[in-house]
Amino acid sequence: SQTIHQWPATLVQPVGSPLSLECTVEGTSNPNLYWYRQAAGRGLQLLFYSVGIGQISSEVPQNLSASRPQDRQFILSSKKLLLSDSGFYLCAWSVTGRYEQYFGPGTRLTVT
Amino acid sequence: GENVEQHPSTLSVQEGDSAVIKCTYSDSASNYFPWYKQELGKRPQLIIDIRSNVGEKKDQRIAVTLNKTAKHFSLHITETQPEDSAVYFCAASGAGGFQKLVFGTGTRLLVSP
Repeated sequence: SQTIHQWPATLVQPVGSPLSLECTVEGTSNPNLYWYRQAAGRGLQLLFYSVGIGQISSEVPQNLSASRPQDRQFILSSKKLLLSDSGFYLCAWSVTGRYEQYFGPGTRLTVT
Repeated sequence: GENVEQHPSTLSVQEGDSAVIKCTYSDSASNYFPWYKQELGKRPQLIIDIRSNVGEKKDQRIAVTLNKTAKHFSLHITETQPEDSAVYFCAASGAGGFQKLVFGTGTRLLVSP
């Protein structure tokens, strides 16, 4: 069966520091991958999605970037964090051609 | 692009009552409508979904209905239990030929014993 991992689970970083969050999926090939951000008590904002290695689409221009160096690995990065980057970051995957998305356990990021 | 509105933002019911959450969407080309349940501090979990060629779908105590003409869909939970307390999100498939979802803003459901 398919499994999605995210790490770290929690992170506290100072303003201006870099960021790297990782997501990996097991048990499937060539998944669609997604990064979402959820601010405290808010909805799900799609940040990036990817249909394959090296193929990244950005939904919202901001302080973040994403990369997909391997088929089942998706990385979210920032060179300099802002206070507004705090939130719950969720990675999700779906089978190519299907809409059902399944979320990872998330990373709770606090920028201080 | 697609826009999804969700109501109410908060819903309080007594255990055993029914709960209904409603969503409207803007893009008539949307054809997939899932519902997710998110418990506090946890990931959203897909609980039920419906496609545009179906008007209603049931799974035990939960059901989803879709009205394509009016562009709205609803989640119905019967015989609510305290463990149903969570935030529920609706979503609709976005446009652009890619399997993207646009989410509603969420409904916090509180079931009191």
